Parts: sequence; structure tokens; C-alpha cells
Amino acid sequence: DSGVTQTPKHLITATGQRVTLRCSPRSGDLSVYWYQQSLDQGLQFLIQYYNGEERAKGNILERFSAQQFPDLHSELNLSSLELGDSALYFCASSVRGHYTDTQYFGPGTRLTVL
Amino acid sequence: DAKTTQPPSMDCAEGRAANLPCNHSTISGNEYVYWYRQIHSQGPQYIIHGLKNNETNEMASLIITEDRKSSTLILPHATLRDTAVYYCIVRVDGFAGGGNKLTFGTGTQLKVEL
Repeated sequence: DSGVTQTPKHLITATGQRVTLRCSPRSGDLSVYWYQQSLDQGLQFLIQYYNGEERAKGNILERFSAQQFPDLHSELNLSSLELGDSALYFCASSVRGHYTDTQYFGPGTRLTVL
Repeated sequence: DAKTTQPPSMDCAEGRAANLPCNHSTISGNEYVYWYRQIHSQGPQYIIHGLKNNETNEMASLIITEDRKSSTLILPHATLRDTAVYYCIVRVDGFAGGGNKLTFGTGTQLKVEL
């Protein structure tokens, strides 16, 4: 158990819909990262937050957005869903967001878009 | 981040040492070598990391060559539960841009058999 929690574990929805994925970082960690893992793209970085502020963006679609709240939990919002958005979405956290920090991953949310 | 090269798959007998190689010939002086593994769609699990010196923890040992162009992850007594995809990742300070994401390649699928 990494200490990072993600909800829900599974999500099934239809194309065009909007969903919200939630992540609670390990106690004391200020930085949160989101990753997407699809069959054809592997594990890809989406976005990083540090203490409530966006720190870096990866290959995140404009239909996707995220935020980190004052209590440090984070939410990833996916809208206008397409079949290709079906994937595992992982959240990770680290203490400071520094490159020497170890990132600890949650168990993931499996999103299925029908 | 420096590119890494890993064999796509390896087999190991249970109870024997598993030695997983990684080439990172373009690594720079301030770049760390990290190892993660992913067991069947679970969240990636941190194993070990190092900069120059060899490292050991309760899970594994990391041997980095003197020129730092390659490394080997050693699982001293592999068990069936060590069957997973192992990722070697080289991390650079990304605060100047790009954040401190982990860039996952395709990794090595380690299969531990009886």
C-alpha cells in the first residue's frame, strides 16, 4: 500500500460524457501527478501540481483538466469522452515535486468509455 | 530525460537472482536512475534509485557502472510474485521546464517460473 488513494476503482460511461477522478496523496506530500496508461501508448504523464499550483503539463488533451485543492487532494476531469479515452489513470504523489523525490503511485482508476 | 534501453522480456527461475539490465548511454551527471515495476495493471511500484554508487534496499540492489552508461537491477531471490514489467527511468531536473515527470519506456517483462 503506497498511501495514495484513488476513487473510483472502475468507471464505465458513454461517449460524450464527463467524469471526475479523485486522488488523495500520501500524508505530507505536496505534489500530485496524473498519468494515463492505454494499451497503445503505455504510461504517459499528463499533469503535475505542487501545493495547489500547476507545475507542468504533458500530453494532456484540452478536454481534460485537473486541479489540486487546499487539502491537497486532486481531481482529474475528463469531458466529451471518446472511445480512445478508455485507459487506466494513475495518480502519484511526492513530497516536494523535486526530481530527486520518489513518486508513489495509487492503484489507479480504470475508465471504460462505451 | 535520457533515453533508456531494456530487453523486452526475461525469464528467471524461482529462487534464483534476476538481473535486469538497462542502458542509458546519454545520461548526464545530475541524472538519477530509478527503477519501478508494474504488476499486472496495478499502480507502478517504486523499487530503488541511485546516482553513482551502488544501492541496496529490502527489495533489490542497483549496480551502476563507473561510467554510468548502464545499470543492473538485481532481485536476489526472485519469487513468482516478482513477475512484472520493470521500468528503468533516468530522471533529470525538470524545474526549468517539463516538470518532474517520470518518462516510462516499454520496460522488461520479467517472468519468474517454478
